[in-house]
Amino acid sequence: QLQLQESGPGLVKPSETLSLTCTVSGGSISNSDYYWGWIRQPPGKGLEWIGSIYYGGSTYYNPSLKSRVTQSVDTSKNQFSLTLSSVTAADTAVYYCARHKSSDYRDYFDYWGQGTLVTVSS
Amino acid sequence: DIQMTQSPSSLSASVGDRVTITCRASQSISTYLNWYQQKPGKAPKLLIYDASSLQSGVPSRFSGSGSGTDFTLTISSLQPEDFATYYCQQNYTPYSFGQGTKLEIK
Repeated sequence: QLQLQESGPGLVKPSETLSLTCTVSGGSISNSDYYWGWIRQPPGKGLEWIGSIYYGGSTYYNPSLKSRVTQSVDTSKNQFSLTLSSVTAADTAVYYCARHKSSDYRDYFDYWGQGTLVTVSS
Repeated sequence: DIQMTQSPSSLSASVGDRVTITCRASQSISTYLNWYQQKPGKAPKLLIYDASSLQSGVPSRFSGSGSGTDFTLTISSLQPEDFATYYCQQNYTPYSFGQGTKLEIK
């Protein structure tokens, strides 16, 4: 059974950089059928897609965050990562990683990590 | 960007009820629409993809329909485990979600 697990600091100071890693187990991140994505959810609010990355390194981002977001993938560790720079309190959220099936607009997120709460505060 | 609007925002229903949740897109998205269920403190779970395709392992009481701008998620007979928040999501980048519909016990 595929499992995803987010890891990273739970507290980040304003103006600093948030860094998270998602470790995939029970399957290969190099599966050509899938991208790997990040979605966040501020406390008590809805879901926002951040971006997605392919095992080969191609990426796409939500334009609302693109200037601050970087994604990377490490196939040797079966991991992918997210960095978000210049964070503010508005970036406080539960961050989820997810497997992203991408096929001619018939996209969906079918496996999700449990989520990790990142709080931006001094 | 495409905006997704769900209605109602909250809904009270009883076990055994038939429930319908609506999602409207700000422009046509063909059938490129997914539905997720989220329980408190948990990650979203994919229920329906491509507007009407049932994800493997999801009970058949869940169904989806629609195309263009108007979509519905129907639960034919509510079970206790179905009380949760439901989100729609469209597949043109940037992907976007509806604001959610909270389904509560009456």
